[in-house]
Amino acid sequence: SYELTQPPSVSVSPGQTARITCSGDALSKKYAYWYQQKSGQAPALVMFEDRKRPSGIPERFSGSRSGTMATLTISGAQVEDEADYYCYSTDISGDHRGVFGGGTKLTVL
Amino acid sequence: EVQLVESGGGLVQPGGSLRLSCAASGFTFSSYWMHWVRQAPGKGLVWVSRINNDGSSTSLADSVKGRFTISRDNARNTLYLQMSSLRADDTAVYYCARDPGYLDYWGQGTLVTVSS
Repeated sequence: SYELTQPPSVSVSPGQTARITCSGDALSKKYAYWYQQKSGQAPALVMFEDRKRPSGIPERFSGSRSGTMATLTISGAQVEDEADYYCYSTDISGDHRGVFGGGTKLTVL
Repeated sequence: EVQLVESGGGLVQPGGSLRLSCAASGFTFSSYWMHWVRQAPGKGLVWVSRINNDGSSTSLADSVKGRFTISRDNARNTLYLQMSSLRADDTAVYYCARDPGYLDYWGQGTLVTVSS
């Protein structure tokens, strides 16, 4: 089966740069997507096709992918960025099955 | 405005069945693939199933294969998830999501609790 691996937690002070990684073999062939989920809310897309920001997502959010690892970077993290972040991709079988990473709790304080 | 509204969740006994619905509005439902994703209490997101735009192709996570069925009614702009042989570890909030190549819009979810 296809897996994506994320660190369980990342902690930064306000204004610092937070980097959240996601690793998995299929990332060498497939795009990574990133979702932000705040407590009690549905997930929200913050990055698609590795490095593209949806409308309304602040410029401090950026993404990259190299080899089998994707990275979500929040430059100058704000207190309001504190949330769970999930990477997402699809398998390479052609069946278009999705897979999420285990999630990373970002603490900004 | 794109809206996805899930319904049909509730308390069900182990071994029971439930059908979830996701009512879509604000976009041409029949043009989009759709997905179900679930989240157990205090846990992460787990992909469950997807269906293509005309319903001719589906796929399911191994954990639900043989027990869950995804379907859609494009005339009613509604996505479904038929769940049977439910187990305690199926307890979760179930979200539907739209797929224009990735999951862009999500509903607010419906809670399914499997317990005796």
